[in-house]
Amino acid sequence: AQSVTQLDSQVPVFEEAPVELRCNYSSSVSVYLFWYVQYPNQGLQLLLKYLSGSTLVKGINGFEAEFNKSQTSFHLRKPSVHISDTAEYFCAVSVRDSWGKLQFGAGTQVVVTP
Amino acid sequence: AAGVIQSPRHLIKEKRETATLKCYPIPRHDTVYWYQQGPGQDPQFLISFYEKMQSDKGSIPDRFSAQQFSDYHSELNMSSLELGDSALYFCASSLRSGTEDQETQYFGPGTRLLVL
Repeated sequence: AQSVTQLDSQVPVFEEAPVELRCNYSSSVSVYLFWYVQYPNQGLQLLLKYLSGSTLVKGINGFEAEFNKSQTSFHLRKPSVHISDTAEYFCAVSVRDSWGKLQFGAGTQVVVTP
Repeated sequence: AAGVIQSPRHLIKEKRETATLKCYPIPRHDTVYWYQQGPGQDPQFLISFYEKMQSDKGSIPDRFSAQQFSDYHSELNMSSLELGDSALYFCASSLRSGTEDQETQYFGPGTRLLVL
């Protein structure tokens, strides 16, 4: 079985400051990794994904994440946040080559203030 | 680009009633997933379908059933509704293309179900 741990339930950050959201996973098999964002009262939007290849992946809205196999981590970063980045961020994993379910972390609420 | 469509977007039901949620995947996508997100919780996988066959099953109550049709749309049928079924229900779709991207799920806007 796989599990995902998002280490911070809430991250307050000032506008134009950098932000890092931490995600660790555990799995006995190879996984794919994803970050989704959920704006208030909206659905889940794919931010970025790691399937294979370069461990540094870039996504939409200036976000990027780095896959670290030895530390089983997939932390999300943005160098300068905007008010509009206020949202819930979910890290998720799926078992490689299984067309299977996504296992989500508990989510990190990012609150950006002026 | 076309996205996943879910209907209705909002639904209010009484206890013990039934509800049917519909999901229309991205065109050409052949795999559909259903998730349930309770208030303040992360999405939990319910069930998935590929080419009209059940592909995987998660924590879906026996009161719920689902199917995928020949046009790849899917319906989630919920009977004997309970207060605890109040949640946001997401549908996601993907395409089993034979590439790694087949593992990427694209989500719809969700159906918010309120059981009174």
